[in-house]
Amino acid sequence: EVQLLESGGNLVQTGGSLRLSCAVSGFTVSAYAMAWVRQAPGKGLKWVSGITASDTIFYADSVKGRFTISRDKSRNTLSLQMNRLRAEDTAVYFCARGRLSDVGFDTWGQGALVTVSS
Amino acid sequence: QSVLTQPPSVSAAPGEKVTISCSGSSSNIGSNSVSWYQHFPGTAPKLLIYDDDERPSGIPDRFSASKSGTSATLGIAGLQTGDGADFYCATWDDSLSAGVFGGGTKLTVL
Repeated sequence: EVQLLESGGNLVQTGGSLRLSCAVSGFTVSAYAMAWVRQAPGKGLKWVSGITASDTIFYADSVKGRFTISRDKSRNTLSLQMNRLRAEDTAVYFCARGRLSDVGFDTWGQGALVTVSS
Repeated sequence: QSVLTQPPSVSAAPGEKVTISCSGSSSNIGSNSVSWYQHFPGTAPKLLIYDDDERPSGIPDRFSASKSGTSATLGIAGLQTGDGADFYCATWDDSLSAGVFGGGTKLTVL
């Protein structure tokens, strides 16, 4: 069964760091484009970062220079390293599999809550 | 403020048809395919439409979509009370080199 499971969500202080992981099962993480999408409390979905099957990486302007997307082929996981966190980064973070060209993600995790507070 | 513009809310009665619009620009909808999602709060979003008008397996044909120029439209026919959710359009933006979502539309089935 194709499945994504996020972990690593937590409460962190402003300026701190956190690493989210997305455990992949049912397919090989390196064979697909993957992405992170977030939803702040009471707000809509926001695209955060994506990585193509050929390892080209993209970021939303709001996280560029602070977040790093990566994947570990040996552990079959996708990660998001988040540094210099701000209050506005507070959100549920979803990992997703699919196509970056039309943001068509056919498989999503259940999400991990990141709360940034002073 | 989202790059893609959707109406905040729409409503209709069970059995009726509703449409949700998504307006963008030449750098996003005008040059890339559009996807649509249904999202119930607290759950994972569900892909309804990809590649402008294609439905993934398991999505009923009550859900349809079209695109013209820099706008896209999602249609939901034969509304059911369980269809009430948030709906999002999404696509790639060539100027931003990033994915973009619409602000979301809350569907209420009266």
